[in-house]
Amino acid sequence: EAGVTQFPSHSVIEKGQTVTLRCDPISGHDNLYWYRRVMGKEIKFLLHFVKESKQDESGMPNNRFLAERTGGTYSTLKVQPAELEDSGVYFCASSQTTNQPQHFGDGTRLSIL
Amino acid sequence: AQSVTQLGSHVSVSEGALVLLRCNYSSSVPPYLFWYVQYPNQGLQLLLKYTTGATLVKGINGFEAEFKKSETSFHLTKPSAHMSDAAEYFCAVIGGNNNDMRFGAGTRLTVKP
Repeated sequence: EAGVTQFPSHSVIEKGQTVTLRCDPISGHDNLYWYRRVMGKEIKFLLHFVKESKQDESGMPNNRFLAERTGGTYSTLKVQPAELEDSGVYFCASSQTTNQPQHFGDGTRLSIL
Repeated sequence: AQSVTQLGSHVSVSEGALVLLRCNYSSSVPPYLFWYVQYPNQGLQLLLKYTTGATLVKGINGFEAEFKKSETSFHLTKPSAHMSDAAEYFCAVIGGNNNDMRFGAGTRLTVKP
């Protein structure tokens, strides 16, 4: 089966611009998660979708971040406007149920200049 | 809320030596525990998991971990390190009412020839 795929793998943008990250979960996985790792720090939870609904978005840093999962398939994470502190690696993961292991994508490395 | 502490951000061992990566957790409910590994420029790959049952769990690549409730620990071990084990290792827990996963800060393992 195809794994979790993320696009793009790298993105370099200037402060103030907008960037949209995409995640395609494993087919049939209702649960989709976004995480972020800022350089040298731990992987931090951002939010969790169950199908198209946001189950938990307590980790979203601020209202410059908007995540969607229309139709319950792929998800997008938009950062608008991007700030320097948003740089990091953004991981997406999916799972069939909430207590099963999450399968991770390779991440999107986001650099804000 | 659940949390994870990994002791030692960097661990260095000689090839053939024992690998021991420490993980302690806190959880308000019986936890599900995971170890993930990240090789350079790749996503997180599941090494092993503990959900219920046998407290000593075996994973891929010769790794194993033991769930010790009395010590709230889930340390990762491998009897003999291989050069290919050099990577970053993350301990994670699902253990709260929200069923979301929380990660430790990661331990970077270096294997010396």
